[in-house]
Amino acid sequence: DSGVTQTPKHLITATGQRVTLRCSPRSGDLSVYWYQQSLDQGLQFLIQYYNGEERAKGNILERFSAQQFPDLHSELNLSSLELGDSALYFCASSENGWAQETQYFGPGTRLLVL
Amino acid sequence: SQKIEQNSEALNIQEGKTATLTCNYTNYSPAYLQWYRQDPGRGPVFLLLIRENEKEKRKERLKVTFDTTLKQSLFHITASQPADSATYLCALGPNDYKLSFGAGTTVTVRA
Repeated sequence: DSGVTQTPKHLITATGQRVTLRCSPRSGDLSVYWYQQSLDQGLQFLIQYYNGEERAKGNILERFSAQQFPDLHSELNLSSLELGDSALYFCASSENGWAQETQYFGPGTRLLVL
Repeated sequence: SQKIEQNSEALNIQEGKTATLTCNYTNYSPAYLQWYRQDPGRGPVFLLLIRENEKEKRKERLKVTFDTTLKQSLFHITASQPADSATYLCALGPNDYKLSFGAGTTVTVRA
């Protein structure tokens, strides 16, 4: 158990809908990362937050947005969903958000868009 | 553009043998390289980190090398066991906040 929690575990929705994925980092970790993993794309970095502020941005679509709250939990919002958004979404956390730090991954949310 | 390439083929090996995985990169100057293990449907789990000024790192049956001239890291699992069957990801941290992952190599260890 990494100490990172993600909810929900599974999500089935329709195209055009909006969903919110939630992540709680390990106790003491200030930085949260979001990744998307699909069969043909591997693990793709989406966005990183550190202590409530956006720190780095990857290949995140404009339809997607995220935030980190004062209690350090984070939410990833996916809107106008398309079939191609079906994937595993992972949240990870690290202590200070530096690339050399170990990232602790949550169990993921499996999103299926029908 | 920056590229990270891992063994494109899955690796099937006999129990007890050594598995060797490669991670090659281009257009990168990583200061750190990490290896993660991922089991199907689960999040990656950190295994080892090696810095650019380190040639080799070991942890139990795992060994990682890092050659910045060749732009390559090798990951070895010695005395492999069926429980080592998983996908192994390399990740590069080029001195900023972002960690970039390779696509991974799937290892299957036969009993």
